[in-house]
Amino acid sequence: GAVVSQHPSWVICKSGTSVKIECRSLDFQATTMFWYRQFPKQSLMLMATSNEGSKATYEQGVEKDKFLINHASLTLSTLTVTSAHPEDSSFYICGTGDFDNQPQHFGDGTRLSIL
Amino acid sequence: AQSVTQLGSHVSVSEGALVLLRCNYSSSVPPYLFWYVQYPNQGLQLLLKYTTGATLVKGINGFEAEFKKSETSFHLTKPSAHMSDAAEYFCAVSNTGKLIFGQGTTLQVKP
Repeated sequence: GAVVSQHPSWVICKSGTSVKIECRSLDFQATTMFWYRQFPKQSLMLMATSNEGSKATYEQGVEKDKFLINHASLTLSTLTVTSAHPEDSSFYICGTGDFDNQPQHFGDGTRLSIL
Repeated sequence: AQSVTQLGSHVSVSEGALVLLRCNYSSSVPPYLFWYVQYPNQGLQLLLKYTTGATLVKGINGFEAEFKKSETSFHLTKPSAHMSDAAEYFCAVSNTGKLIFGQGTTLQVKP
């Protein structure tokens, strides 16, 4: 089945640092990638939807200048948390999907800790 | 607008007992429904999905779920719990590929 590879799995960095998270589809072409954020003991909240070759669509309340998404190819989407602060600490998960009834396949997530 | 409600944030069962995790949805159009499992510090794994057709859906690891339109429910069951089933379970609804997740239910399995 489809496999999504997400890196890094764990990041600890200082406040003010920018952090890039990569999500790769290993055996299929991901025209759409979804980025989620999950706080401890809570559900996944959709942050944005990216489509290959076009601008990402952000959910209400998500700062597009803070969370930069790039989907330049059919196999790679990246999320960059710019000038990260402690409140950005969270678990970030990418997932693929399209507009058929295909279920989304998820990466293993990135735990981001900002000191 | 679509939404998902999972009844019970924490469910505890004994090993070998029936597992029942409840999910109710709200959707103005025929929904696509999913159950996912998440182990600690990992992403989500699809257990099963309902799109059209047979309302009783069988998934991996012995889980199944039944779509009941009249009750707007999609409860997840497993006849006999195993210790390895202990995890977080999410119900989700979608009709455009964008998933709306429930709040999750933590399943505890006691020996």
